[in-house]
Formats: sequence, structure tokens, C-alpha cells
Amino acid sequence: GQQLNQSPQSMFIQEGEDVSMNCTSSSIFNTWLWYKQDPGEGPVLLIALYKAGELTSNGRLTAQFGITRKDSFLNISASIPSDVGIYFCAGLTTGNQFYFGTGTSLTVIP
Amino acid sequence: DVKVTQSSRYLVKRTGEKVFLECVQDMDHENMFWYRQDPGLGLRLIYFSYDVKMKEKGDIPEGYSVSREKKERFSLILESASTNQTSMYLCASSFPPQGLDNQPQHFGDGTRLSIL
Repeated sequence: GQQLNQSPQSMFIQEGEDVSMNCTSSSIFNTWLWYKQDPGEGPVLLIALYKAGELTSNGRLTAQFGITRKDSFLNISASIPSDVGIYFCAGLTTGNQFYFGTGTSLTVIP
Repeated sequence: DVKVTQSSRYLVKRTGEKVFLECVQDMDHENMFWYRQDPGLGLRLIYFSYDVKMKEKGDIPEGYSVSREKKERFSLILESASTNQTSMYLCASSFPPQGLDNQPQHFGDGTRLSIL
């Protein structure tokens, strides 16, 4: 199946910095999801987006559904050490097919 | 909260063995999925099911089969385990789309399977 283009692949940042990552696709999706996976655990849903242009927050996390419906962005403000993990995007088609990004590995340096 | 439970966190088996990975969800979800996750390859869909006794092949079904006898349980079977099936296996479940809204998948904690 198709994998979404997710960037960057990895990030090393200082505690307190803001983080941005994004996913792009050549296909249109009608839902975007963002997950976080801690080492040795399964992915946990962070944010779900259902409408083009939608901006949704979950604490220090903010995600946006791109206007073209072909991309989505995740921002983390004022990062803390427990933000460490791998962040995945997922796009869903009208046929309820899931496509996952390859993940962004985030390391926060105290 | 949605709970997707995978029976084992870690499993070590030998080449040629028949291996069963079990997944149970407590949210009455119709849809259930099995993925494997490998470094650099992301999540790859093995099989999925939209209803009891129903199964569909995903992107990499070879060497695997599944069973869905009850709505809450979805089993992944490695018919004759091989070393290239060493991987992290993730089970997920979701509701079907509600109107125009797709429903997110919820994942279990994964089973790290090693085939020796």
C-alpha cells in the first residue's frame, strides 16, 4: 500500500523548543490522524482531523488538515522530555483505506 | 477508553513452528487489523476484517492467515514461522465510517516476535 511522505525522518531538539513535522501525499484524503508511539509500545491516537483547513489542538499539540487535502501538519510547542517517541501520520480515503507515514523520530535533549 | 489487548508483549519461536498471535478489543468495533512494523518500512497491513468470519488480504499476506470467530477477537497465524517474520506485530480496531467521517484505528501495545 501507499506510504505517505513524512518529514523530517528524525529530529533532535533542546527541551523547550517548538517542533514541526508534516505529511504529504499525491492523493486526497478526507481524514488525517496523528499518532505517537513510545518505545516498545503501540501507537496512541493524538489528534483526528476531518475537514480541510481544520486546526485542532490537544494540549501543546496542534495539527492542521491542509486546504488541498493532500497534506497535514503537527506542531508541538515547548517540548519536554516525555515528548520523545515516533510520531506517525495517517490519511484515510473515502473508502476507509488507511495509509501511514513512515514516522518522525523525536529526541528531546534536556 | 478503547482497549485493544494483545496476548503477548514478547514471543520467541523456532523456524517452522505454527504461531498464534491473539488480539481482543472491548469497544464492539466491527473493523480489526493486523500490521507488522519494521525499521525503515513503517506499518504494513497484513490482513483485516470488517465483520465476524470475514477477512481480507492486506499488502503482505503471504505466510500469514487470520481467524475472526467472534467480533472482539482477531487472531493472526503464522503457518510455518520463518526468520524473516521476526518483527513487531500490531493489532488495531475501529468502527466503520460514521456518515462521511472515517473512524480512527486504535492500536494494541504490540507483540515483538522473534523467530530463531
